[in-house]
Amino acid sequence: GAGVSQTPSNKVTEKGKYVELRCDPISGHTALYWYRQSLGQGPEFLIYFQGTGAADDSGLPNDRFFAVRPEGSVSTLKIQRTERGDSAVYLCASSLRPDGYGYTFGSGTRLTVV
Amino acid sequence: AQKVTQAQTEISVVEKEDVTLDCVYETRDTTYYLFWYKQPPSGELVFLIRRNSFDEQNEISGRYSWNFQKSTSSFNFTITASQVVDSAVYFCALVWANNLFFGTGTRLTVIP
Repeated sequence: GAGVSQTPSNKVTEKGKYVELRCDPISGHTALYWYRQSLGQGPEFLIYFQGTGAADDSGLPNDRFFAVRPEGSVSTLKIQRTERGDSAVYLCASSLRPDGYGYTFGSGTRLTVV
Repeated sequence: AQKVTQAQTEISVVEKEDVTLDCVYETRDTTYYLFWYKQPPSGELVFLIRRNSFDEQNEISGRYSWNFQKSTSSFNFTITASQVVDSAVYFCALVWANNLFFGTGTRLTVIP
């Protein structure tokens, strides 16, 4: 597609439930990033994929968070046993190169854990 | 350690006024890249500019201009003759370890 697509745009879930957030990057972009943006804060890095593999997952806050990109295009961020503190906007970005140039961000998924 | 500081949390200006958004950064890298992004209410981050550390020439793009001062580790952003459509949150960011490290943002409100 023309841009980075994220679905759903909004997700409300109950504490303790499992959620999946999807990112469909720009076709041909090998680098894919997940960021989390809490209210009033800047986006914080979660994980970076180069192709199918996670090149850097140092930003994942704990083992409840996991992300995959099995075919090197679409990525899914998975959160187990959600907590109220997980409420945030989850942003995805893709790029042709990993040096920050040419990043295109999606509109994000607003996750609310009640 | 990498750090990006945007000390101005919120700024309000009247339409047609000029406004400068401040950004101060810290990095141990000798070569680095700095960015500004705009985040309108729709939530999407819109790229404005990328600047590398060895190019200190100031840049102008229409009503936007950027002042990069390596000696003070600052990369400030000025909007001339502000318009209501400029109302948004603006983020300064630094590339580190192949990803963007963002400041906390400055919310700009332009009052008609």
